[in-house]
Order: sequence, then structure tokens, then C-alpha cells
Amino acid sequence: GAGVSQSPSNKVTEKGKDVELRCDPISGHTALYWYRQSLGQGLEFLIYFQGNSAPDKSGLPSDRFSAERTGGSVSTLTIQRTQQEDSAVYLCASSLEAGGNQPQHFGDGTRLSIL
Amino acid sequence: SQKIEQNSEALNIQEGKTATLTCNYTNYSPAYLQWYRQDPGRGPVFLLLIRENEKEKRKERLKVTFDTTLKQSLFHITASQPADSATYLCALDKKGYNNNDMRFGAGTRLTVKP
Repeated sequence: GAGVSQSPSNKVTEKGKDVELRCDPISGHTALYWYRQSLGQGLEFLIYFQGNSAPDKSGLPSDRFSAERTGGSVSTLTIQRTQQEDSAVYLCASSLEAGGNQPQHFGDGTRLSIL
Repeated sequence: SQKIEQNSEALNIQEGKTATLTCNYTNYSPAYLQWYRQDPGRGPVFLLLIRENEKEKRKERLKVTFDTTLKQSLFHITASQPADSATYLCALDKKGYNNNDMRFGAGTRLTVKP
């Protein structure tokens, strides 16, 4: 389809392992956002990209979290040495451009469970 | 500190009534405020956007107001239906912070009973 695609949809891993989450935005969208949503909670902002650059990384919870976007399209969020508190749904969104006047289009998320 | 607060975690209403959801913010001066709907297991879906110089915006059975003096937005669903049951999230931008990202409230879970 033409929507935002995230993979995997579910990921179960052991504490201490590294995980990589992928987001494929809508074609032509220059802005890409990563959020984290814990059970019953709102969306916690992690990072956003305008093109390949990340003007705001302030939401990344620790240096175990990193994200990149190459070619202005696909983005990966990497969590190193996972901890149980990293368990959450990780949501990606894209918009035509960055800014509050642009609707964000979300994927259905990756549900990450750390054992 | 900056806060976005949405009224009560859950709101239950009878079919046909008007649902009113509240979004209050502190220490923000947003230029835009957005409302999203989220169903269980799915990502949020954009509903409406309102600008700081707009008092009210309508779309079918939905109405959003934006009061920058009260620092509040109200989201109304008229003639509510069981299919409107979902979690509704407000989001606003951080005008003046040289950022273009949005911040979301925790959401209000609406249940419309037949």
C-alpha cells in the first residue's frame, strides 16, 4: 500500500541484545518521526528527521538509542543492549514536510518485548 | 515545565450524545494544534488541524476549538456512534523553539454505548 510501513510488527528478544527497527515512509515525505508508546500511555517523542538530518534528538532516552535515515527515505531505530524498560510499541510517522501545519501519517508500529 | 493534559483517561457516553474532549497545555505557545484518533493495535490517524488564529474548525460531525488565552482545545463529536469509540490524542507544535516536531498528550479513551 501507500502508507507508512514498519517492520517487524512484533519483536521478542532477550535483555542485552541489540534490536533494529525499520520504517518505510510514504514516498515523497521529507519528514520522519519516531515515537514510543508504552502500555496505556501517550506518545513519547524520540527523534525526527528532515531529509537525512536529525534536527531534534532530544527525545532519545539514552545513548543506547540511535537512529539514522539514508537517502531521505527509510529510517532505522537501533536499541543497543536492550533493557526490560525498553518494552513498548515504537511508532513511526512521516509528513510531507516538518512542521505543525502538516498531518503526520503513522505506521502501525513495532511491538517490542524484552524478556 | 511543559505539559499537555487531556481530560480523564476515559469518557463514556450514550449513543447520539455529544462527546467533548479537552486538551490543556502549559508552557507552550503552539502555532498549530492537531487531533488524532487511535484504535487498539493501530497507529494514530490524523483528524483535524487548527491554527492559532482560528477559533473553530469543523469536519462532518467533528468540531475543534482553540483558545490560546485559556491554553485549551476542545474536541467535539456530535451525534456520537459506537464506531467513534477509540482513543483521541491532541498534539501541538513547539513554535519558538526552532523545532518542527510535535508533542502529544496521553489521550482520552472514548466509549460510546449503544
